[in-house]
Amino acid sequence: GDSVTQMEGPVTLSEEAFLTINCTYTATGYPSLFWYVQYPGEGLQLLLKATKADDKGSNKGFEATYRKETTSFHLEKGSVQVSDSAVYFCALRNTGNQFYFGTGTSLTVIP
Amino acid sequence: DSGVTQTPKHLITATGQRVTLRCSPRSGDLSVYWYQQSLDQGLQFLIQYYNGEERAKGNILERFSAQQFPDLHSELNLSSLELGDSALYFCASSVEWGALSGNTIYFGEGSWLTVV
Repeated sequence: GDSVTQMEGPVTLSEEAFLTINCTYTATGYPSLFWYVQYPGEGLQLLLKATKADDKGSNKGFEATYRKETTSFHLEKGSVQVSDSAVYFCALRNTGNQFYFGTGTSLTVIP
Repeated sequence: DSGVTQTPKHLITATGQRVTLRCSPRSGDLSVYWYQQSLDQGLQFLIQYYNGEERAKGNILERFSAQQFPDLHSELNLSSLELGDSALYFCASSVEWGALSGNTIYFGEGSWLTVV
């Protein structure tokens, strides 16, 4: 079945460090791919998305590129801030409009 | 604000009891999803409804049930509650345009259930 695998956390970085959170997926057809962020005590919020191969989603300095050849959608940010501390979820939406989420990666950014 | 409203925000109840969680989707959204988030199991998909009909089922226990009403709001019923059912329950909604639309799912803030 369809699934999403993302790197285990927790991840701890210093402010202004480079961030990569790996995400790979398994799906038939051409899913849409998403990154969601969950801040403490809140629900999940859409961070960025990509709907077809080679699309790049970007928002708030975060980027992820839909790589069909490697079935990946890695999240990157060039310079993280303390306010980026949150849990990040990779997700896919398949052709049946079903969503599958990764287990989440906790990021803590220290000043 | 995602536009998805969940009530109650917090709920404490005893083992063996039954509770109902309510969700109002975003205006215009026809699909409603329920997820359970616990510390040890991450985000687990429970069930999805589309325009009043069950569309997909995930890891939902037989003690749990859900429905979507004609006005599109949804309720998740949890019965014979156990300590292990303590978790954050999310509702989410989306508009189903079609397979290639890149449709987004929007989450409510969740209902915290504590079973004591």
